[in-house]
Amino acid sequence: DIQMTQSPSSLSASVGDRVTITCRASQGISNSLAWYQQKPGKAPKLLLYAASRLESGVPSRFSGSGSGTDYTLTISSLQPEDFATYYCQQYYSTPSCTFGQGTKLEIK
Amino acid sequence: QLQLQESGPGLVKPSETLSLTCTVSGGSISSSSYYWGWIRQPPGKGLEWIGSIYYSGSTYYNPSLKSRVTISVDTSKNQFSLKLSSVTAADTAVYYCARHSRRIGDYGTIGYWGQGTLVTVSS
Repeated sequence: DIQMTQSPSSLSASVGDRVTITCRASQGISNSLAWYQQKPGKAPKLLLYAASRLESGVPSRFSGSGSGTDYTLTISSLQPEDFATYYCQQYYSTPSCTFGQGTKLEIK
Repeated sequence: QLQLQESGPGLVKPSETLSLTCTVSGGSISSSSYYWGWIRQPPGKGLEWIGSIYYSGSTYYNPSLKSRVTISVDTSKNQFSLKLSSVTAADTAVYYCARHSRRIGDYGTIGYWGQGTLVTVSS
């Protein structure tokens, strides 16, 4: 199984800050990496896929990068609605997939 | 607009079988472009893929749960179902049904989720 290690597990930031979340796969996953945002009591929402492709309707302040085993999600200028929990997902052997442990982004 | 809706008991006794159904509306479960899956999230914890099914009936399971999981599809009702046997308190979670893409452009992504249903395992 491919394991995903996500860091940090929590992050405090202010509106307007730039934040970065990292995910590391236990083996190369050829950019088969998605990022999701989850708000309390809601299902996750797809933000990016193929490591860097923005899902339709997602603001451009969200971006992704990486290759091989290491990937990042960057939010360029935090907005109030961005405070949520973020998960990475590898789908190298779709439909089998694994998620990172999550990063809770809180207001400082 | 595609919608997925989970249904089933919210309380299951230890050692019994958890059974949930996902009803798909606004789209056909028989599309060759998608897998249909179950993902769970224990309270306050992260996401765990349980398994998925193709409309033809081909199934794919998380190895850690494989011995206890059965996923089936009923194309006539546009539904797919989850059975998890011999449950314990560790199976208490919000269970989501979801759609994985098989399309080249967004292959593997989960673009649609149900709202989730909390299943508690307790006597």
